[in-house]
Amino acid sequence: EIVMTQSPATLSVSPGERATLSCRASQSVSSNLAWYQQKPGQAPRLVIYGASTRATGIPARFSGSGSGTEFTLTISSLQSEDFAVYYCQQYYNWPPVTFGQGTRLEIK
Amino acid sequence: QVQLQESGPGLVKPSETLSLTCTVSGGSISSYYWSWIRQPPGKGLEWIGYIYYSGSTNYNPSLKSRVTISINTSKNQFSLKLSSVTAADTAVYFCARDPNPVVFGDYWGQGILVTVSS
Repeated sequence: EIVMTQSPATLSVSPGERATLSCRASQSVSSNLAWYQQKPGQAPRLVIYGASTRATGIPARFSGSGSGTEFTLTISSLQSEDFAVYYCQQYYNWPPVTFGQGTRLEIK
Repeated sequence: QVQLQESGPGLVKPSETLSLTCTVSGGSISSYYWSWIRQPPGKGLEWIGYIYYSGSTNYNPSLKSRVTISINTSKNQFSLKLSSVTAADTAVYFCARDPNPVVFGDYWGQGILVTVSS
């Protein structure tokens, strides 16, 4: 099973600033990496798939990069609605697909 | 507009079987992959498994011995059964739909909290 590790656990950023979230895989997942956003009391929402492709309806301020074992989600100018928990997920070697433990993005 | 709605008991006793149903409205269940994902309170996401509309399934190996996912196309529903539950199975259970079996970007249910306790 591939283990996904996210850092940091909590990231405090001011609105309008850039946020950079990291995800590391225990072995290569190629570009089979997705990012999800989850707000309290809601289901997750797909943000990025294929490591760098924005999902439908996701604003251009969200970008994903990386391949192999190291991945980054960048939010270029944080809006109030972006503060949430973000999870990465690998779907290269499955079953099972596996998720990271999440990064909480909070308002500084 | 497609909607998914989970239903079932919110409280299950240890050693018993957890049974949930996901009802699909606004679209046919006769296509796509239909998945179950869970989230223990305050924790991360865990994939349980999926069923394709044809009936083929794939489960998380860590749960495989206890999990059954089935589909009822006439009722536009699919279901999850998890046997021999313990407190570790306490979680919010989500159902989801996607054209891809392992990327969950299409539609999700709102989730249902199931607590395992005597």
